[in-house]
Amino acid sequence: GAVVSQHPSWVICKSGTSVKIECRSLDFQATTMFWYRQFPKQSLMLMATSNEGSKATYEQGVEKDKFLINHASLTLSTLTVTSAHPEDSSFYICSASMKATNTEAFFGQGTRLTVV
Amino acid sequence: DAKTTQPNSMESNEEEPVHLPCNHSTISGTDYIHWYRQLPSQGPEYVIHGLTSNVNNRMASLAIAEDRKSSTLILHRATLRDAAVYYCILRLYSSASKIIFGSGTRLSIRP
Repeated sequence: GAVVSQHPSWVICKSGTSVKIECRSLDFQATTMFWYRQFPKQSLMLMATSNEGSKATYEQGVEKDKFLINHASLTLSTLTVTSAHPEDSSFYICSASMKATNTEAFFGQGTRLTVV
Repeated sequence: DAKTTQPNSMESNEEEPVHLPCNHSTISGTDYIHWYRQLPSQGPEYVIHGLTSNVNNRMASLAIAEDRKSSTLILHRATLRDAAVYYCILRLYSSASKIIFGSGTRLSIRP
């Protein structure tokens, strides 16, 4: 079945540095991908919609200059957490559906970000 | 986005059926009912989806009320690996349609 892969699975970075997370659709094209953040014991919160070839659409309250999204191809979207702070520590998850149909959404395995 | 309501938690015994309810009284005619589950420290996993008719797949069954204002996910024979948070979600028929997660139901399985 279709697979969405995230890299890295986990990352530890120093406060003030930037971290890039990749989300790839491995065997299908995705014009739209979604980025979520999840804090411990909480549900997934949608951060933004990543659109291939155009600007991402951010949910209310999500800083677009803080969370940079690039969707340069039909199989790759990246989320860059800029000037990370400890409060950005979270589980980041991406998802995508196949381009032509909406059967199900496929989710990456998630990236655990720890900012120290 | 249409909302769904699920119990916070449920418990079941191993090898017994589990019925996970979901209310979605404000569902629109174009909303599909999706179910996903999330195991600890993993991304969500698709379980099943439907529009009006009941659906079966290798993982589960989805029973949809005639008025579509509620649905039930049925795990026919729960195993310990089914312990997860189950999310009932309404989604339009479009790959660009957002998936908005509610709080879900945390299912525990007793050995």
